[in-house]
Amino acid sequence: AQSVSQHNHHVILSEAASLELGCNYSYGGTVNLFWYVQYPGQHLQLLLKYFSGDPLVKGIKGFEAEFIKSKFSFNLRKPSVQWSDTAEYFCAVNGWNTGNQFYFGTGTSLTVIP
Amino acid sequence: GAVVSQHPSWVICKSGTSVKIECRSLDFQATTMFWYRQFPKQSLMLMATSNEGSKATYEQGVEKDKFLINHASLTLSTLTVTSAHPEDSSFYICSATQELAGANSYNEQFFGPGTRLTVL
Repeated sequence: AQSVSQHNHHVILSEAASLELGCNYSYGGTVNLFWYVQYPGQHLQLLLKYFSGDPLVKGIKGFEAEFIKSKFSFNLRKPSVQWSDTAEYFCAVNGWNTGNQFYFGTGTSLTVIP
Repeated sequence: GAVVSQHPSWVICKSGTSVKIECRSLDFQATTMFWYRQFPKQSLMLMATSNEGSKATYEQGVEKDKFLINHASLTLSTLTVTSAHPEDSSFYICSATQELAGANSYNEQFFGPGTRLTVL
């Protein structure tokens, strides 16, 4: 069975600080990887995704993530956070050849202090 | 981008009653829809996968007789929580995919805004 773990449950940063949120997955085959963001009171939005090619992917709003296959990781980064980045962040995995089922991590709540 | 709507956005009901939640893809045909449940401060838990015209596939531990899913058309799936109890109170989210690629490919999921269910 697939599983996704996010190590940081709640992160508090000051504006302009750098961000890195951890995500590890367990799955024996090829995977597609995603980061979603959920702003307060809003629905999930796709930040970025990886399915092949360059392991460093860039998403919207200055976010990027790096897929490290040997570590089964897909950490999310942003060099300088803003107050508007305050949200819940979810890592998700979709296994190749397992249909469209997504498995989500437990989420990381990010609070950015102005 | 593709838009998915849910109705109602929130509902309060008495214990023992049934509640129906609708999920619609507004500008595309959704071959597959998913239903998730999200508890406060927790992740989304996949409940079931619904394909148009066929029976839903439920995840382990999800009671199919309690959470009835119908995917009658390519733009509508419904989740009915039957004989709801307070422990069913949660945030229910649907998502939909559009069949853009062939097998073994990824189809992006578009999420609805969710439905907050409170059972008294």
